[in-house]
Amino acid sequence: QQPVQSPQAVILREGEDAVINCSSSKALYSVHWYRQKHGEAPVFLMILLKGGEQKGHEKISASFNEKKQQSSLYLTASQLSYSGTYFCGTEGNSGAGSYQLTFGKGTKLSVIP
Amino acid sequence: GAGVSQSPRYKVAKRGQDVALRCDPISGHVSLFWYQQALGQGPEFLTYFQNEAQLDKSGLPSDRFFAERPEGSVSTLKIQRTQQEDSAVYLCASKGPIYTEAFFGQGTRLTVV
Repeated sequence: QQPVQSPQAVILREGEDAVINCSSSKALYSVHWYRQKHGEAPVFLMILLKGGEQKGHEKISASFNEKKQQSSLYLTASQLSYSGTYFCGTEGNSGAGSYQLTFGKGTKLSVIP
Repeated sequence: GAGVSQSPRYKVAKRGQDVALRCDPISGHVSLFWYQQALGQGPEFLTYFQNEAQLDKSGLPSDRFFAERPEGSVSTLKIQRTQQEDSAVYLCASKGPIYTEAFFGQGTRLTVV
């Protein structure tokens, strides 16, 4: 089942904050966040694990509510380089030892000067 | 190589032609995913391999689509009798164990004319 992201698109001025939400109807082991710029491959931002551990390497924060099967990505003091489409990917057990990574439709973020 | 490599980067096929898309994952990555990404959309899951075993092919849109990973490393996605609706970017991603990030290739842009 594909996770649902909101909003679909957001326009920010430099320095403004944004929150992107991701929810799933399935029990999740982890939530991944990726950013894709036009014509490029998605690039990993952050992974959130059951139990609260976060792994990431950019100054972007996120939360994961395991009970509600929801995650939110927080972009603070946005920069022009934050522009792109953000995808959440949910990792869950799809049976037979298979851990499928399924992506939402994406949130297009545009940061303007 | 250091990353996931896909070839060709671009492919133009006449309707009805067969195509083969190649993915070279990161060495040692057990999991390999194929996704189809239409313009402006998120990556849609096609199929998933764990080593040479194809554990999930529920996302393949029709029996014209076939994927293999015979030695648990390089994978090939084959599309037979291509149709215009097959036009999309085909992304390959490889991944280590559960709870680790996926790495994407640059994708193959397939245009069926």
